[in-house]
Amino acid sequence: EVQLVESGGGLVKPGGSLRLSCAASGFTFSSYNMNWVRQAPGKGLEWVSSISGSSRYIYYADSVKGRFTISRDNAKNSLYLQMNSLRAEDTAVYYCAREHSGYDSRTWRYYYYMDVWGKGTTVTVSS
Amino acid sequence: SYELTQPPSVSVSPGQTARITCSADALAKQYAYWYQQKPGQAPLVVIYKDNERPSGIPERFSGSSSGTTVTLTISGVQAEDEADYYCQSADSSGTYRVFGGGTKLTVL
Repeated sequence: EVQLVESGGGLVKPGGSLRLSCAASGFTFSSYNMNWVRQAPGKGLEWVSSISGSSRYIYYADSVKGRFTISRDNAKNSLYLQMNSLRAEDTAVYYCAREHSGYDSRTWRYYYYMDVWGKGTTVTVSS
Repeated sequence: SYELTQPPSVSVSPGQTARITCSADALAKQYAYWYQQKPGQAPLVVIYKDNERPSGIPERFSGSSSGTTVTLTISGVQAEDEADYYCQSADSSGTYRVFGGGTKLTVL
């Protein structure tokens, strides 16, 4: 069964740090881009960061650039998000999501969508 | 970065057709994807590449695209379809992923 399980969430003070983990199983982890997506309480989904299968390509949303670091360990089938200088507005449920991506030769377009999601881990930033 | 614009809410009666739109200039060149999220659950992709339906998603869910607007259509809405729906795409370079603000579908 294809599965993603996040862990590492918790309560942290503003300015503090936290490291999230996502354990993958049931598929060839290294073959997929992976993403972190968050959802603040009562709000919509916000893409946070993505990393290619080889870790060669890494991208961040402007809201977290310079504070968060995404990484992966393909030998351990694991995805990570190191979060530093945390702010109250970082409070959210953080989901890891597998990305199904490729090139459609019929339309000459690339595609990127998240086809497998974990259940999420909650991060609360509060004094 | 750019934004995908969705209506905050849509309401329909059971059996009717619900249409949820998503607009952005980049949608003329990038595919759109649709996710359903029920309370307390992770999102679930219901439409990918504008109009393709993953296995296991009911046929009443369909997608279409016209210029800079994509539309999720749910035909014969059922009570279980009540959820938040999000469109998602990428910027023109494929670097950033972006979600729309979400649309709450209410089944009256």
